[in-house]
Amino acid sequence: EVQLVQSGAEVKKPGESLRISCKGSGYSFTSYWISWVRQMPGKGLEWMGRIDPSDSYTNYSPSFQGHVTISADKSISTAYLQWSSLKASDTAMYYCARQPLAMVTFDPWGQGTLVTVSS
Amino acid sequence: QSVLTQPPSASGTPGQRVTISCSGSSSNIGSNTVNWYQQLPGTAPKLLIYSNNQRPSGVPDRFSGSKSGTSASLAISGLQSEDEADYYCAAWDDSLNGKDVVFGGGTKLTVL
Repeated sequence: EVQLVQSGAEVKKPGESLRISCKGSGYSFTSYWISWVRQMPGKGLEWMGRIDPSDSYTNYSPSFQGHVTISADKSISTAYLQWSSLKASDTAMYYCARQPLAMVTFDPWGQGTLVTVSS
Repeated sequence: QSVLTQPPSASGTPGQRVTISCSGSSSNIGSNTVNWYQQLPGTAPKLLIYSNNQRPSGVPDRFSGSKSGTSASLAISGLQSEDEADYYCAAWDDSLNGKDVVFGGGTKLTVL
């Protein structure tokens, strides 16, 4: 079964750093991109960016460029999303999703990681 | 403000046919395929329609997609109570920076 399993919920303070993870299984991890999608409380889906795990090439949405870093470790089939300095406005659910090369077909999705940033 | 425009809400009674629209431009829907996602309450989104009108295995044929010019539509026939969810369209957008993924703002479907 193709599966993406994300790390657990996080509660952080403003200014702290954070890295969340997304582990793929049941398929060749380097044959598909991984995208990250943000969903703020009560709001819609926003694409943040994607990574090609085979060569770690990344592409970011202009809205998120410079605010987050996407990386991957193909040896353990895991992609990451990280922040160096969190803000309260980063409070959201974050999903990873598998993406066939050059398509917008996100399937499957991870279960989501809730990040809460509060002082 | 989302790049793709969807109505914020839609509704129907059990058994009815409902359509949800998704409007874009020449840089996204007009030149790329459209995908639809269903998000049931409290769960992760799920792929519903890909490449404008293709259903993944396991998706009932009550769900269908279409595209014309810079707009796309999702149709749900024989509406059921379990179809109550948020629905999102998505497509590539050919920007100056290359290709970005854009989503619609989402449509909340209520089964009356």
